Amino acid sequence: DIVMTQTPLSSPVTLGQPASISCRSSQSLVHSDRNTYLSWLQQRPGQPPRLLIYRISNRFSGVPDRFSGSGAGTDFTLKISRVEAEDVGVYYCMQATQFPHTFGQGTKLEIK
Amino acid sequence: EVQLVESGGGLVQPGRSLRLSCTASGFTFGDYAMSWFRQAPGKGLEWVGFIRSKSNGGTIEYAASVKGRFTISRDDSKSIAYLQMNSLKTEDTAVYYCIRSTSGWDSDVFDIWGQGTMVTVSS
Repeated sequence: DIVMTQTPLSSPVTLGQPASISCRSSQSLVHSDRNTYLSWLQQRPGQPPRLLIYRISNRFSGVPDRFSGSGAGTDFTLKISRVEAEDVGVYYCMQATQFPHTFGQGTKLEIK
Repeated sequence: EVQLVESGGGLVQPGRSLRLSCTASGFTFGDYAMSWFRQAPGKGLEWVGFIRSKSNGGTIEYAASVKGRFTISRDDSKSIAYLQMNSLKTEDTAVYYCIRSTSGWDSDVFDIWGQGTMVTVSS
């Protein structure tokens, strides 16, 4: 199985400041169809998760443009340009290149 | 309104079975792939499995931790996805979510989530 490793596991951020989360996979996430199936999900406290970014950098419908994804191969990053209070929660990367799909451990974003 | 509602969770003894249902409304259920995720109390997300739409072959995939014990199926006539869980273990204790993909094929782009149903495996 592909192992997904996120850093940091906790990220205290000041409102209005940027935040960045890294995700590394144990092997390349480039599929034979040339797509890279790396997603980012957000889980706010007490809520189900929701999809933020899919295939490295595609923002899902309704996701604010302060969220962006980048990376290639085995190294990926989620960036929030200016953190808002509603961004508090846990962020997960997920690979869907290979079955079984696997998640990172999660990064808890909190406000300083 | 487009929604997914999970049901069937509860308290069950180790070794017993439980069937979860995910009832869809507001859309043509048979056109979409469906996934199951779970989340143990205070823990991260775990992918459980996935079923494609019948027009895309109805392919089913499972996590290694549940393969051979859990079965995913769908009844498009009733707009329900099922997760049959057999030989339950204490480590299966979690909130189980069903999720709709945006197509009948993809397993990575999700747009509709259920609220989850809690399964507790304990003697």
